[in-house]
Amino acid sequence: QVQLQESGPGLVKPSETLSLTCTVSGGSISGYYWSWIRQPPGEGLEWIGYVYYTGSTNYNPSLKSRLTISVDTSKNQFSLNLSSVTAADTAVYYCARFTRYDSGKFYLDYWGQGTLVTVSS
Amino acid sequence: QSALTQPASVSGSPGQSITISCTGTSSDFGRYNSVSWYQQHPGKAPKLMIYDVNNRPSGVSNRFSGSKSGNTASLTISGLQAEDEADYYCNSENSSGTRLFGGGTKVTVL
Repeated sequence: QVQLQESGPGLVKPSETLSLTCTVSGGSISGYYWSWIRQPPGEGLEWIGYVYYTGSTNYNPSLKSRLTISVDTSKNQFSLNLSSVTAADTAVYYCARFTRYDSGKFYLDYWGQGTLVTVSS
Repeated sequence: QSALTQPASVSGSPGQSITISCTGTSSDFGRYNSVSWYQQHPGKAPKLMIYDVNNRPSGVSNRFSGSKSGNTASLTISGLQAEDEADYYCNSENSSGTRLFGGGTKVTVL
């Protein structure tokens, strides 16, 4: 059973960089796409972006200028870096596996439990 | 990119059927059939309930079904049960290859 676990600071200061890591267990990170999704308190889900195990990426255009998603296959981990954060970046951040189904389309089938990151001085 | 439009809330009595709509534009729903639905209970991670518009992953009850017509997708829950009370989000691919979520619908079982 594939499991994902987010880790990183729960508090980040405004203008600094938010950094999170997702550790994948129970399966290999190779061969799959991996995603980040966030959810501000009391609000809906927002797609952040995804990374392929080879390192290729696709980002939400609204975050692209501040965003880097990377992968480390040796550690079975992938990471999120979001720079110049503001209070609007306060959210629960989820990592998830983005799996190709028989139709050729991709869906989020395994999720981490989520981690709350608060941006405040 | 604009979120997909869902009603804020839908309610029903146990045993009834309810339908949640999700409206997009011709650049997402109109062009792609990669529509999915996610269920989220409070404090929990979302769970994939429907993919490819109307397919259920293994383990998801057949009380959940999906459909799409034009720029609107729908999720129907039949035989509503107390455990179905949760937030539901639609999701679709868009022209940039990324994904859009709907604003979410809170389902209340009366």
